[in-house]
Amino acid sequence: GAVVSQHPSWVICKSGTSVKIECRSLDFQATTMFWYRQFPKQSLMLMATSNEGSKATYEQGVEKDKFLINHASLTLSTLTVTSAHPEDSSFYICSARLSTRGPQHFGDGTRLSIL
Amino acid sequence: TQLLEQSPQFLSIQEGENLTVYCNSSSVFSSLQWYRQEPGEGPVLLVTVVTGGEVKKLKRLTFQFGDARKDSSLHITAAQPGDTGLYLCAGGSGGSNYKLTFGKGTLLTVNP
Repeated sequence: GAVVSQHPSWVICKSGTSVKIECRSLDFQATTMFWYRQFPKQSLMLMATSNEGSKATYEQGVEKDKFLINHASLTLSTLTVTSAHPEDSSFYICSARLSTRGPQHFGDGTRLSIL
Repeated sequence: TQLLEQSPQFLSIQEGENLTVYCNSSSVFSSLQWYRQEPGEGPVLLVTVVTGGEVKKLKRLTFQFGDARKDSSLHITAAQPGDTGLYLCAGGSGGSNYKLTFGKGTLLTVNP
C-alpha cells in the first residue's frame, strides 16, 4: 500500500531555531501533499497544500513566512518552521495522495517541542 | 467554511459493548473518509464512502454515508481494547483544489 515517511519523528530545540521537517512518498509519486497541525487530543487542522513545482496554498490564518513549504520533487515536500517559539510546539503531520479525489495517506508525524 | 461535527467527543466503554459515532454537517461532501489514529502516530484510513446511502463493513465496523451525503456514522460491534483510539471523519470537497475537512474526532477507550 501507499507509504508516506516523515522525518524527524521528534525534535526538541531552543527558541529562535528554524526546524525542517521532511515528508516523502516512498512508493508513489504525489503531485500534492498536505501539511497539518494537531494539538493534544484534538483533530487535524490543515495548514497548507503543497503542490509540486509551484507555490504552496496556505489556509487562512497560517503565516506563509513562518511556515515555509517546498515541494521540489514528486516524492518530497518539506516544511520549515522559521524562528520557532514555544507556541509553535505541536504535532505536525503530512499526507500525500495518489490522485485528485483519492484518499490521503499520512506520515507518522513529527513532535516539535520548542524550549 | 465547511464544518464537520463529530459526536460524542469522548467515549469510554467496556469490552463487548456496541457503540456508534456520528459525523454531521450542513454541507454536502463528494466523499467521506474515516480514519483511526493512535497516540504519536499519523491517522490510518479505515474506509472511504462516496455514494449517498452507501454502507460498508470492515469486520466489526459498519460505516454509513447519509442519503444527502451530509452525514455519516461508524458503528462498532462488540468493541475490543484494540479498538481504542481517536476516530476521525473527514469530508472531501473542492474541484481542482480538492481537500479534506476533518471533524474534531471521537476519543474511544475500550476497557478490558
